Parts: sequence; C-alpha cells; structure tokens
Amino acid sequence: DARVTQTPRHKVTEMGQEVTMRCQPILGHNTVFWYRQTMMQGLELLAYFRNRAPLDDSGMPKDRFSAEMPDATLATLKIQPSEPRDSAVYFCASGTPVTDTQYFGPGTRLTVL
Amino acid sequence: GIQVEQSPPDLILQEGANSTLRCNFSDSVNNLQWFHQNPWGQLINLFYIPSGTKQNGRLSATTVATERYSLLYISSSQTTDSGVYFCAVRNNAGNMLTFGGGTRLMVKP
Repeated sequence: DARVTQTPRHKVTEMGQEVTMRCQPILGHNTVFWYRQTMMQGLELLAYFRNRAPLDDSGMPKDRFSAEMPDATLATLKIQPSEPRDSAVYFCASGTPVTDTQYFGPGTRLTVL
Repeated sequence: GIQVEQSPPDLILQEGANSTLRCNFSDSVNNLQWFHQNPWGQLINLFYIPSGTKQNGRLSATTVATERYSLLYISSSQTTDSGVYFCAVRNNAGNMLTFGGGTRLMVKP
C-alpha cells in the first residue's frame, strides 16, 4: 500500500528556531506539493515540484521558507527563522502528470511558541 | 486569482440520507479535484474531475465546466462520511491548485 510519508508528525519549537519538515513521495510519482492548513486561511499551496525542479513556489514566503528535493525520494520544507504565525499543519502530496491526482501525507503539525 | 466557493459550509445528515455538495469557480479550469478530510485530519483524494461525471461506490461527482461548477453526491450517507469536503481547482494560466473553504459534514447515527 503505497503512501506519502512525512516526518516529524508533530513539532513544537520556539520562535527563531530552524524547522525542517521531510516528505517521502510515493515511488514513481514525479510531482510533489507542499500545502499549509490553518483555521484562518484554510488550505494553501506553498510550492510545487516536478522531476525535482521547483515549478512554482509563489505561495511561499521567500524570506524565511525554502523547499528542495535533494533526490527523487525526499522533499524538504525549511523555515528559518520560525515565527508563531507559522504554526499550522503542513501537508506534502505527490502525484503524476498522467492522472493529475494528488495523494496526501498525514501532515506535520507545527507549533511555534 | 481564481475564486472557489463551496456550499453549504456546514451540513448535518441522518445516517442513510443523500446529499449534494456544490463547488462554484470563477474561471475556466483544467483541473478540479474533490478531497475528503476525515476527523483525524487525513486528506484523501476522491475524484479528479475537470469535466464530466464519475462514480465511486456511494460517491459520484459531476463537473459542468462551461457553467463553472461541480457537484459531489453522497448517497446513503454513513457516519464514516463525516469530515470536511474540499473542492480544489486550477485554471489554465496557473500551476497551483486553489482550494475552496470546504463543506463540513456531520452524519449522525
């Protein structure tokens, strides 16, 4: 049963600290998405990769957020420095252009104090 | 950017009832998906349906792209259908999916 995995599942940190979230897409999927979900803003798409190259990261605050795919099995989302307003659930999703459907990981719940 | 509106925002059903959820969007789309977020937060893709009709068990979806709306039908609802249903679209000019605000469904036994 192929699934998207995300680590950590929960993260509590203090303002100013660096946070790294990791995602392992489903094997064979070449598109990866990072989303953020908050009560106020709902679900927002932060960044989108295809074949490890960033296609669109316009949803991401550039000054503190960065997203990368070091290899086809790992996507990372970093926040440096973190702020309380970054508290949210961050979802990773993967898919293929053929079906254009997205499969979501369980999310990382981030709390910045 | 493209606007996505879902209705109703909240819905309470008795188990066994049928329901229709609606998604309106403001521009032509080349991608439309329905998702279910269960009470534990897991997001599950239900349908990829930029046009036409699809069915999967008790769920079916119809998108009328020319009139800029999509409908999700739930028949014989079960308590496990509870959660939030999201519609997400992408217009021809963009790469990114835009999500609607969701319909929160509660199915009572």
